[in-house]
Amino acid sequence: ETGVTQTPRHLVMGMTNKKSLKCEQHLGHNAMYWYKQSAKKPLELMFVYNFKEQTENNSVPSRFSPECPNSSHLFLHLHTLQPEDSALYLCASSLSGGAAEQYFGPGTRLTVT
Amino acid sequence: DAKTTQPPSMDCAEGRAANLPCNHSTISGNEYVYWYRQIHSQGPQYIIHGLKNNETNEMASLIITEDRKSSTLILPHATLRDTAVYYCIVLRDSNYQLIWGAGTKLIIKP
Repeated sequence: ETGVTQTPRHLVMGMTNKKSLKCEQHLGHNAMYWYKQSAKKPLELMFVYNFKEQTENNSVPSRFSPECPNSSHLFLHLHTLQPEDSALYLCASSLSGGAAEQYFGPGTRLTVT
Repeated sequence: DAKTTQPPSMDCAEGRAANLPCNHSTISGNEYVYWYRQIHSQGPQYIIHGLKNNETNEMASLIITEDRKSSTLILPHATLRDTAVYYCIVLRDSNYQLIWGAGTKLIIKP
């Protein structure tokens, strides 16, 4: 138990669906991250939020839309995804936005059909 | 940030110490060495980090050579639950951009 929870743990969606991934951290951290891990590839940083403000968007396609209503919650809204978007989506948090000591949730395994 | 080199895989007997090496010969003076691990189908887990002194916590010890060009993560009494991919990452402390390589797949055998 890392103090970072993600729901759902598994998600299957069609290319025309709209769905959202949720992340919540109970660590009192101020920064939150979305990562993508495709099969047999290293983790890729997608978005970073520091004190609810987005500070990083790593050239992520607009079909992925993050939302950070407060420092404890992070969402990733998905729409019109492609099969190549199937991956493990991981949320992480850190005490501050410049910290490499990050705590990860268990991830959401997404399959796009 | 400096690149790292790790062996792709290692085996270790249960109950023995697992020593995982990492080479970072181009490390700069203000760069830290971080270790994470990822158990299959789970999120990565932070283990430990250090700058130049050896560090120890409840999970592991980190030994950094005097020239800082390499380091070793030590799991003192490996258990089957330590089977995972271990990542050595070098970066400045103010940098959150963890660059994930292939890591070392550590298999603990009974």
